[in-house]
Amino acid sequence: DIVMTQSPDSLAVSLGERATINCKSSQNILYSSNNKNYLAWYQQKPGQPPKVLLYWASTRQSGVPDRFSGSGSGTDFTLTISSLQAEDVAVYYCQQYYSSPQSFGQGTKVDIK
Amino acid sequence: QLQLQESGPGLVKPSETLSLSCSVSGGSISSSSHHWAWMRQPPGKGLEWIGSIYYRGDTYYNPSLSSRVTISVDTSTNQFSLRLSSVTAADTAVYFCASEILGYYYDTLGRFDPWGQGILVVVSS
Repeated sequence: DIVMTQSPDSLAVSLGERATINCKSSQNILYSSNNKNYLAWYQQKPGQPPKVLLYWASTRQSGVPDRFSGSGSGTDFTLTISSLQAEDVAVYYCQQYYSSPQSFGQGTKVDIK
Repeated sequence: QLQLQESGPGLVKPSETLSLSCSVSGGSISSSSHHWAWMRQPPGKGLEWIGSIYYRGDTYYNPSLSSRVTISVDTSTNQFSLRLSSVTAADTAVYFCASEILGYYYDTLGRFDPWGQGILVVVSS
């Protein structure tokens, strides 16, 4: 099974500053046949279901603000919020869909400093 | 726009079977580019994929739960269901259903979008 490990577990960032979340997979999740990284990022606010932000590691879901971006390949990935807004306070999860069982990171809680 | 809604009892006794349904609206459950999935989230904890189903009935289960899980689909009602047997307190969680979007025709796994609101199921006597 592929284990997804996020870091840090939590972070506090000032409004307007950059927030960076890392996600590491225990195995390569880049499929060579299509050159796609099988990784998605989700945002979950309290009392709500997760909402997909990015897929294929860096493709933004329709309607997601462009301050959210994703990068990385193979086993190491990053979610960046370029300018943190109050509404971005949430827990963020990465998910691999390269091999079964698909798995999530443990989550990173983002707060305002 | 696709919407999903979970339903079922919020309290289940230990050793009994948890049964939930998910109603899909705004689209057909018989889509060739989707699986239909169940996830769960224990209070204050992370997300766990339980399993998925294709409209033809092909199922994919998390090995950690596969001996207790059955997922079924009813295309006539645009619903799919989860049964989890022999539950214990460790199965207390918010259960989510979701659409699983497959990127390529050969993919068997995908990203989850959208999700239902979730239903809290407590296992207690």
